[in-house]
Amino acid sequence: KAGVTQTPRYLIKTRGQQVTLSCSPISGHRSVSWYQQTPGQGLQFLFEYFSETQRNKGNFPGRFSGRQFSNSRSEMNVSTLELGDSALYLCASSLETGLPIGVEAFFGQGTRLTVV
Amino acid sequence: AQTVTQSQPEMSVQEAETVTLSCTYDTSESDYYLFWYKQPPSRQMILVIRQEAYKQQNATENRFSVNFQKAAKSFSLKISDSQLGDAAMYFCAYRRNAGNMLTFGGGTRLMVKP
Repeated sequence: KAGVTQTPRYLIKTRGQQVTLSCSPISGHRSVSWYQQTPGQGLQFLFEYFSETQRNKGNFPGRFSGRQFSNSRSEMNVSTLELGDSALYLCASSLETGLPIGVEAFFGQGTRLTVV
Repeated sequence: AQTVTQSQPEMSVQEAETVTLSCTYDTSESDYYLFWYKQPPSRQMILVIRQEAYKQQNATENRFSVNFQKAAKSFSLKISDSQLGDAAMYFCAYRRNAGNMLTFGGGTRLMVKP
C-alpha cells in the first residue's frame, strides 16, 4: 500500500510569488491535514480537510489556503510568499472511521519550501 | 487550547541502554489520544506508539512503551535496548477525540552513542 505522497519535494520561490503544494493520501483515507515545521516555531497545524470540507483551521493568515478533491487528494496554496514562509510543509492522512481504529495520522516526506 | 510540553531538548543514551523521554500536556477534555512520533534526518514523521486516554493500560510496541498518567497529564516514552537507528527527533502529540488535528510538543533530540 502506497504511503502519503507529497509533491514537489523541494521548491524555491521568490518573495511575492505564490505556490501550490500537493498531497496524495493513503488509499482509503479521507482526512488530510497540513503542518508547517520551522526551527523557530516547531510543528504548527495549518488546516484539516475531510470529505472535501475544511474541518479545522490553525492560526495562520488568509494567505494560506487549501482544498480537497473528491479523490481525497489535497492541495495547499500560499499566496504572496514571505521569507518567513520558508519551512518544511508536512501532509498527513488518516482513515477517520469515527472509531478508535484509524485515528493515527500518517505523514508524507514533506515539501521543503525556500523563499528567497 | 491544548498545549504539549517536552522539557528535554536533547537526550543521550548508550547503545543497548534504556532512556525515557518526558511529555506533559494540558487539556480540559477527558477523551483524547496521545502519540509519540519519530523524525529521523530524512524528515519523515514515523508513528512510534499511541495511547487512548480512556485506556488505563499503558501502550507497548516492542522496545517502546509509555507511562501514561492521566491525572498528572503526563505521557513519557521509554525506549529499551536502544539502537543506533533510534537516533532522531521525538515528538509528543495530542489529538482531540473529534477531528484530526495534532498539537505537537517542541521535540526531544535523542542521540545514541555506540
